[in-house]
Amino acid sequence: AQSVAQPEDQVNVAEGNPLTVKCTYSVSGNPYLFWYVQYPNRGLQFLLKYITGDNLVKGSYGFEAEFNKSQTSFHLKKPSALVSDSALYFCAVRDISSGSARQLTFGSGTQLTVLP
Amino acid sequence: DGGITQSPKYLFRKEGQNVTLSCEQNLNHDAMYWYRQDPGQGLRLIYYSQIVNDFQKGDIAEGYSVSREKKESFPLTVTSAQKNPTAFYLCASRDRQGNSPLHFGNGTRLTVT
Repeated sequence: AQSVAQPEDQVNVAEGNPLTVKCTYSVSGNPYLFWYVQYPNRGLQFLLKYITGDNLVKGSYGFEAEFNKSQTSFHLKKPSALVSDSALYFCAVRDISSGSARQLTFGSGTQLTVLP
Repeated sequence: DGGITQSPKYLFRKEGQNVTLSCEQNLNHDAMYWYRQDPGQGLRLIYYSQIVNDFQKGDIAEGYSVSREKKESFPLTVTSAQKNPTAFYLCASRDRQGNSPLHFGNGTRLTVT
C-alpha cells in the first residue's frame, strides 16, 4: 500500500520569506513523488517530480523539493515567496514496484497563504 | 494548444437524476482518470482507463459509471445511486511512461439539491 501525508492544513508566510510545505510518504518499494498546485476552481498543475538521481529537484515557478529517503519526506520549498504563490498544494506518491496503473495517491493538501 | 477540456464548468441537478460530465483530451494520452475532490480530503480516484474500451474501478466507484469508446473521450455519469454527489470532479490523463505526470482539466463543480 502507498500513502502520503501533508501534516499542515495551512501554512502562512510573509512575502519574500522562504517557504516550506511538508510531505511524508509511505511505500513498500521505491517512490515516484510529485508536487501539484491548485488555484481556486481550477485543475491541478504539475510543479515537479522526483524519479531517481539528485535528491534536490527543481521545478516550475522557482519551486524545488528535496527527497530524503531516510526520513521518507519530499518537502516543497521556495527561497522567496510571492503573493501569487498562494494556492492549494498537493503532494502525491506512486510506488514504482507496485506495477499498478492506478496512478497516484494524493495527500489532503496544504493551503499556502503568502501575506504581503 | 493541447490539453484537457471538461464541460460544463458548473452543473446543477435535482436529486434522483443521472448526470454526465464530459472530458475530452487532445494530448494523445492513452490513460485517463476521474477524481473527486472534497474539501480537506484531497483527491479520490473514481475510475480510470488505460486503453480504449477498457476501464477499472478506483477507490470510490460506487454510484458512478464511465465509458471509453474513443481515445480522446472519457465521460463520467453520476447516477442517482451516488449518495453524496455534490463535489468538484477532475479529469486527468497521462502518457504511457510510468513516471509521467498527470495533466488535469479545470474541473466540473456538480451541485445536487
